[in-house]
Amino acid sequence: GAGVSQSPSNKVTEKGKDVELRCDPISGHTALYWYRQSLGQGLEFLIYFQGNSAPDKSGLPSDRFSAERTGGSVSTLTIQRTQQEDSAVYLCASSLEAPHWEQYFGPGTRLTVT
Amino acid sequence: AQSVSQHNHHVILSEAASLELGCNYSYGGTVNLFWYVQYPGQHLQLLLKYFSGDPLVKGIKGFEAEFIKSKFSFNLRKPSVQWSDTAEYFCAVKAGAGSYQLTFGKGTKLSVIP
Repeated sequence: GAGVSQSPSNKVTEKGKDVELRCDPISGHTALYWYRQSLGQGLEFLIYFQGNSAPDKSGLPSDRFSAERTGGSVSTLTIQRTQQEDSAVYLCASSLEAPHWEQYFGPGTRLTVT
Repeated sequence: AQSVSQHNHHVILSEAASLELGCNYSYGGTVNLFWYVQYPGQHLQLLLKYFSGDPLVKGIKGFEAEFIKSKFSFNLRKPSVQWSDTAEYFCAVKAGAGSYQLTFGKGTKLSVIP
């Protein structure tokens, strides 16, 4: 079946602009996760959705970052007033509910802030 | 907060050599453990996972890992590597029964020389 898909695959934006990154999870997966992969920090957890609610937003690095999920499916990660330090690969993953817990990752969106 | 250490940043092996990649984590409670692989130009893929039971787990492509609770370790092994195993390998931990986020190590880049 289809895996996790993300769009766009690459995004170049100017400092100060807003960006939206999209994630389509595997059909039937109720849990959705956002991570960020950067050279200096490795893979960092950002936020988790169970259904449409996000019980834990503590991984979001600043209030410029927000995410939503609608219909228990597609999720959007929004970064407002982008900064150069936001440059990274943003990864989305999805899973069934525990105990079937392994997370399946999408190809990521490479964000470059100039 | 929990952390995951991967001791080797870059490992270079000749084909047919044996592989062992180290992974240690810092969490005293129940853990679920994972190894993911990222082949060049591809997204993260799950190699193997440990939830409970036999501490020796077998994954895809001939990989295996052993969970040693007393050592807080989950080392990845393969008896004979191939050029196609060239990739970056990430160890990840889910710490605690109620947790949902993965904490990743920094990754180990494996280069296999034909």
